[in-house]
Amino acid sequence: GAVVSQHPSWVICKSGTSVKIECRSLDFQATTMFWYRQFPKQSLMLMATSNEGSKATYEQGVEKDKFLINHASLTLSTLTVTSAHPEDSSFYICSASFPGINEKLFFGSGTQLSVL
Amino acid sequence: AQSVTQLDSQVPVFEEAPVELRCNYSSSVSVYLFWYVQYPNQGLQLLLKYLSGSTLVKGINGFEAEFNKSQTSFHLRKPSVHISDTAEYFCAVSQGGSEKLVFGKGTKLTVNP
Repeated sequence: GAVVSQHPSWVICKSGTSVKIECRSLDFQATTMFWYRQFPKQSLMLMATSNEGSKATYEQGVEKDKFLINHASLTLSTLTVTSAHPEDSSFYICSASFPGINEKLFFGSGTQLSVL
Repeated sequence: AQSVTQLDSQVPVFEEAPVELRCNYSSSVSVYLFWYVQYPNQGLQLLLKYLSGSTLVKGINGFEAEFNKSQTSFHLRKPSVHISDTAEYFCAVSQGGSEKLVFGKGTKLTVNP
């Protein structure tokens, strides 16, 4: 089946540095990718919708200047957490979509970010 | 706004016992409903979905769920669990036609020998 690869699976960084997370669709072209965040014991919360070749659409309360999303090709979307702070420590997970209904929505394995 | 409530954060059961993972949702419009499973160190995998039609939905690995509109519920069931079913299970809802999902907090199912 279709596979979405997310890298890295975990990252530790110092406060004030930037971290880039990659999400790749390995065997299909994903026109739309989604980025979610999950704090401990909380739901996965949609952060933004990433469309190839256009600006990402951010959900209310998500700072677009802090969470930079680039979807430069049909197989790659990146999320950059800029000037990371300890409160940004979380589990980030991406998903990629075939055009159509949600059954063709595939998830990456997630990235655990810890900011010291 | 839509919301999803998974009433149990953890459910421990013994192997071969039946299990029900509860999910309730709130929405003012028609919805699509999903259950996803996440095994350790893996991504989310679709177990089953309800879009329309029969309210009893059968999914992979012997799981099924029943959509109950009057109770706004979509509980997940399996008559006999295996140790390999140990994982985190997420209920999700989307407004009909939308690809945006709203997730519950997840239920950690632990199957003990």
